[in-house]
Amino acid sequence: DQQVKQNSPSLSVQEGRISILNCDYTNSMFDYFLWYKKYPAEGPTFLISISSIKDKNEDGRFTVFLNKSAKHLSLHIVPSQPGDSAVYFCAASKDDYKLSFGAGTTVTVRA
Amino acid sequence: EADIYQTPRYLVIGTGKKITLECSQTMGHDKMYWYQQDPGMELHLIHYSYGVNSTEKGDLSSESTVSRIRTEHFPLTLESARPSHTSQYLCASRQDGTEAFFGQGTRLTVV
Repeated sequence: DQQVKQNSPSLSVQEGRISILNCDYTNSMFDYFLWYKKYPAEGPTFLISISSIKDKNEDGRFTVFLNKSAKHLSLHIVPSQPGDSAVYFCAASKDDYKLSFGAGTTVTVRA
Repeated sequence: EADIYQTPRYLVIGTGKKITLECSQTMGHDKMYWYQQDPGMELHLIHYSYGVNSTEKGDLSSESTVSRIRTEHFPLTLESARPSHTSQYLCASRQDGTEAFFGQGTRLTVV
């Protein structure tokens, strides 16, 4: 039973524009959410996180929004750069235990 | 920068061989995890540990085994490799309330 879902397998965006990645979850007990970026044949690298007590967290070009009532979070990347082309994974955890991951969204930034 | 290391990065091995995938971290993290990931799919948790002598099976059934004799070391062993074990194996560690740090992964191919 997949508790974290990324329903868009791919996203293509022009360089300089905004990339918006979406993630839905089913477990209302999740209290910590993260976004990771992954290149082929490498491990995921951490981008940004948000606690369930907040609804927004910003770090440079990356902003994560959390809507607890809708069990939805999103990652905004602005402006998008060619180096942002990668697979992005949404993850969630409960009580600081194991992380559950979505299936990922492949982002392609066009020049 | 994360101090978590996996060896080997790539491994091609014949059916029936015993293999051990190594994972070490120098951050003193208590929590360590093994994930399995295939292209286009989510990361599946196969094993985790919350400290020395603690090991648990994850959400995805796996024929592999793990051990945690030292805080920094969390090896994964397959007693008899099969083609169905072909995948990318990702090791991670985490401290309370923080993100998980991943190693670079091991790409395993069983022929």
